[in-house]
Amino acid sequence: EAGVVQSPRYKIIEKKQPVAFWCNPISGHNTLYWYRQNLGQGPELLIRYENEEAVDDSQLPKDRFSAERLKGVDSTLKIQPAELGDSAVYLCASSPGGVAYTDTQYFGPGTRLTVL
Amino acid sequence: KQEVTQIPAALSVPEGENLVLNCSFTDSAIYNLQWFRQDPGKGLTSLLLIQSSQREQTSGRLNASLDKSSGRSTLYIAASQPGDSATYLCAVSGETSGSRLTFGEGTQLTVNP
Repeated sequence: EAGVVQSPRYKIIEKKQPVAFWCNPISGHNTLYWYRQNLGQGPELLIRYENEEAVDDSQLPKDRFSAERLKGVDSTLKIQPAELGDSAVYLCASSPGGVAYTDTQYFGPGTRLTVL
Repeated sequence: KQEVTQIPAALSVPEGENLVLNCSFTDSAIYNLQWFRQDPGKGLTSLLLIQSSQREQTSGRLNASLDKSSGRSTLYIAASQPGDSATYLCAVSGETSGSRLTFGEGTQLTVNP
């Protein structure tokens, strides 16, 4: 079974440019997460989807970040415009959903963003 | 707000040694605790998940314990191998945040041949 797929793996952009990350979760997983991981720190949740609905986006900087999960499968995370402080690894994860709070989350390899 | 702390930040041991990684959390109202492994440049791999009603979980050479009342968990690795070298992250999900995981900063483990 394929794992969580993310692209691109690496992205280097100039500040103020837009950037987008794509995630394809494990087939059948209803819950999808986007995390940001700064160097030397643990991941922090940006947004969580249950199917197509964003159920936890309280930590998403909405002035420049946006996300969508059309048809409840793939998801895209966008930053516009990017700032120097956005340099980080952006991780996507998915879990089966269903019984609350008991799911293991499966992570993709991440996209390493460098903003110059 | 839940805070997760991992000690030590880095650990270097010779191959074959048994070792313990520590994790503490401030809010004991958790649903579960997970231990993850992260290799350089890669995503996280879940190692063990302990529900709040459980005391420990075992997988191969790994054993994780949970003391919810004191806000502590340990990950025990037996007979360490160079392939165990990675960063180990502890994360908890709690009543106040649903399935949102709060992560520690990790312990970077190096097992020397």
